[in-house]
Amino acid sequence: SAVISQKPSRDICQRGTSLTIQCQVDSQVTMMFWYRQQPGQSLTLIATANQGSEATYESGFVIDKFPISRPNLTFSTLTVSNMSPEDSSIYLCSVERQGTDTQYFGPGTRLTVL
Amino acid sequence: GESVGLHLPTLSVQEGDNSIINCAYSNSASDYFIWYKQESGKGPQFIIDIRSNMDKRQGQRVTVLLNKTVKHLSLQIAATQPGDSAVYFCAEITGGGNKLTFGTGTQLKVEL
Repeated sequence: SAVISQKPSRDICQRGTSLTIQCQVDSQVTMMFWYRQQPGQSLTLIATANQGSEATYESGFVIDKFPISRPNLTFSTLTVSNMSPEDSSIYLCSVERQGTDTQYFGPGTRLTVL
Repeated sequence: GESVGLHLPTLSVQEGDNSIINCAYSNSASDYFIWYKQESGKGPQFIIDIRSNMDKRQGQRVTVLLNKTVKHLSLQIAATQPGDSAVYFCAEITGGGNKLTFGTGTQLKVEL
């Protein structure tokens, strides 16, 4: 497995503002992903964070709303832009090493938008 | 944990009993399956996985069974303990890709 940390662990934000969430892994990984988990629900993939190129977004998620960076093999950020109360969720990053299919998850960032 | 919105299916078991958590999947092209455990306030934790060329895989106190004929996956937990209380998700990967699709989850409650 891998040790994955996320910052912040939680935040309360005002509508219309933006929040950047950081994901740090303790070793180089091939793949990094960002998920959203709405209250009481399952996980939905937002995008795959590609190192050195634009992220690959899933249907229903767009770069303007969820810009993602991945400057190297151990770090990625997800920004939730122009937030509304509907963005209140847990945001999770996951990682996958080369040659495996198993994804390991970070502890999540619990976001509340007022 | 939070339970606003969609209510998860709940399984209540007595401490020491065996638990069986079920999951149905729809895509016959799915070839890799993972069970995750999510405790309140934490991220999903990997429990066990199985590939589509297998019917059964065992870990420590856990067994995963895969029935491809009816597209059904189950997680068996032996001698369930209070620390097993959590939400359990099955997830699948289709066609050699790396996109995980998660099931709706099951809340396991262990009664003392």
